[in-house]
Amino acid sequence: DTGVSQNPRHKITKRGQNVTFRCDPISEHNRLYWYRQTLGQGPEFLTYFQNEAQLEKSRLLSDRFSAERPKGSFSTLEIQRTEQGDSAMYLCASSLSTGFEQYFGPGTRLTVT
Amino acid sequence: TQLLEQSPQFLSIQEGENLTVYCNSSSVFSSLQWYRQEPGEGPVLLVTVVTGGEVKKLKRLTFQFGDARKDSSLHITAAQTGDTGLYLCAGYNNAGKSTFGDGTTLTVKP
Repeated sequence: DTGVSQNPRHKITKRGQNVTFRCDPISEHNRLYWYRQTLGQGPEFLTYFQNEAQLEKSRLLSDRFSAERPKGSFSTLEIQRTEQGDSAMYLCASSLSTGFEQYFGPGTRLTVT
Repeated sequence: TQLLEQSPQFLSIQEGENLTVYCNSSSVFSSLQWYRQEPGEGPVLLVTVVTGGEVKKLKRLTFQFGDARKDSSLHITAAQTGDTGLYLCAGYNNAGKSTFGDGTTLTVKP
């Protein structure tokens, strides 16, 4: 399967703990995006990379959130000191820099208790 | 800030009926994508429209991009229960970002 993969699919954590999610994009895609989606809403942009460079980060993203793509392949999204408001589906997508179309992974469902 | 408004928010119809959902913005996009999402899964790309006035057909689904590239519609003919899901539109700008609407939740009853 050459689609976008995300791990873990589900994460339950206690408030105040740190969590890290991983995204493996489609291999030839050089752009990688992170989104957050809550119930009843569309995906909300968090950040995106072209190769290993982080090109944009949403102003809605607090300093507790950080993302990396060290070798221009997989990416990680870390949330420090989680809060109940961080509970959401975290989606990763990838695309070619020459293309409009983003292909999504299955998401990681985070629940903060 | 580019915003996309989708309507209706919820739609419940009987199998065999036709429907249209809308995606509107005050901003111009270089392209617009439609996705379908099932609960607990990521969105799946259905189509991309690029040219103002463009119409694309995908079996029973017809997508139209407005002449000014600010709005779009999705029409489904003879809906089936398998069409149930959340339909999302996303506008893409030249900065490489996509802005998503909040979607239309479609339920097709047998």
